[in-house]
Amino acid sequence: DQQVKQNSPSLSVQEGRISILNCDYTNSMFDYFLWYKKYPAEGPTFLISISSIKDKNEDGRFTVFLNKSAKHLSLHIVPSQPGDSAVYFCAASAPIGAGSYQLTFGKGTKLSVIP
Amino acid sequence: DTAVSQTPKYLVTQMGNDKSIKCEQNLGHDTMYWYKQDSKKFLKIMFSYNNKELIINETVPNRFSPKSPDKAHLNLHINSLELGDSAVYFCASSQDSRGHQPQHFGDGTRLSIL
Repeated sequence: DQQVKQNSPSLSVQEGRISILNCDYTNSMFDYFLWYKKYPAEGPTFLISISSIKDKNEDGRFTVFLNKSAKHLSLHIVPSQPGDSAVYFCAASAPIGAGSYQLTFGKGTKLSVIP
Repeated sequence: DTAVSQTPKYLVTQMGNDKSIKCEQNLGHDTMYWYKQDSKKFLKIMFSYNNKELIINETVPNRFSPKSPDKAHLNLHINSLELGDSAVYFCASSQDSRGHQPQHFGDGTRLSIL
């Protein structure tokens, strides 16, 4: 039972164009969403996040959009650069009691930016 | 000045052996985690400790036992290793357990069971 789904295992984009990575979720208790980037043989690194009370958060070339009614979020990278080639994980946070939270990760989307 | 470091990076061992993976963070964080990334690439939480206290203990076989000697360290001991334990294990830390703080990950330990 995947609560966080990234339905595209891979995505190829030309350098300079926009990359759009999508993520769907099913658990209405998720109240915070994060994107992580992962290079081979390294751990995931935090990229950008968004609270469920917002619909957009921007940080430089990266923008995350949240559509709560559709339970959908997306990560836009513009312009895409070859160094952006990596696996991108969507993660969602939900309370588990006693003030603690738990992250649930999607399966990841491998982005390839072609020079 | 690695923030979250885990050792060893690679671990190849025989079925039935007992092994440990160590994790240390120098970020001054209160919360540490162990995740397993299996062959299907899902990152799944196994355990979480907040200030040395266990707060998340997912459905993991009893053969897996976390130990937190202090809040900067969270080690993972695995008894009687099985073929299905082959995976990449990631350690992570965050400032607190409130979920709105990003988690910082180590580079993973690739465990292969022969």
